[in-house]
Amino acid sequence: DAGVIQSPRHEVTEMGQEVTLRCKPISGHDYLFWYRQTMMRGLELLIYFNNNVPIDDSGMPEDRFSAKMPNASFSTLKIQPSEPRDSAVYFCASSSGAGEQFFGPGTRLTVL
Amino acid sequence: GENVEQHPSTLSVQEGDSAVIKCTYSDSASNYFPWYKQELGKGPQLIIDIRSNVGEKKDQRIAVTLNKTAKHFSLHITETQPEDSAVYFCAAGGLYDYKLSFGAGTTVTVRA
Repeated sequence: DAGVIQSPRHEVTEMGQEVTLRCKPISGHDYLFWYRQTMMRGLELLIYFNNNVPIDDSGMPEDRFSAKMPNASFSTLKIQPSEPRDSAVYFCASSSGAGEQFFGPGTRLTVL
Repeated sequence: GENVEQHPSTLSVQEGDSAVIKCTYSDSASNYFPWYKQELGKGPQLIIDIRSNVGEKKDQRIAVTLNKTAKHFSLHITETQPEDSAVYFCAAGGLYDYKLSFGAGTTVTVRA
């Protein structure tokens, strides 16, 4: 298996623009997680899905952030409009529910 | 919610020496404690985990101990090698709640 795939790996955009991050989980995994990593706040869970259904989105910072999982092999995290404070590395992880979460390589987002 | 504290934030050791990282957690309901290693430019990768029904677990040069009464757990790396240099994160989660709360991370540097 190729592991969790994220795209793009790097994204530079200007404040106010819409940003869409993409994730393909490991085949067969029922759980998908979106994390944000910054120096100030560390690794934060934003939202997670089980069988394509959002279970807990309490970590989503505000209404500008939204996440979807239209099918078992694809998820998106969208920021609209983006702000400089959204600059971070965003990770997607997937799990079969047995404990271990497998992380993707991350998307480094820079909002100018 | 769960609060995980991790110490130290940085750790420098001589090659061949041992490294110890300690974490405390707040939620007594937590019963799953993984440790992740993150190398530069990559996503976190699980190196070892322990569940609350076990007090200690070892995998080659890596061991984890858990004290549920005191609500703390530790990572021990023996005979450190340069490739052990990375950022290490502890985390805590529940058996039926797949959310993980991460510590702030420890940057380990192994001096040759």
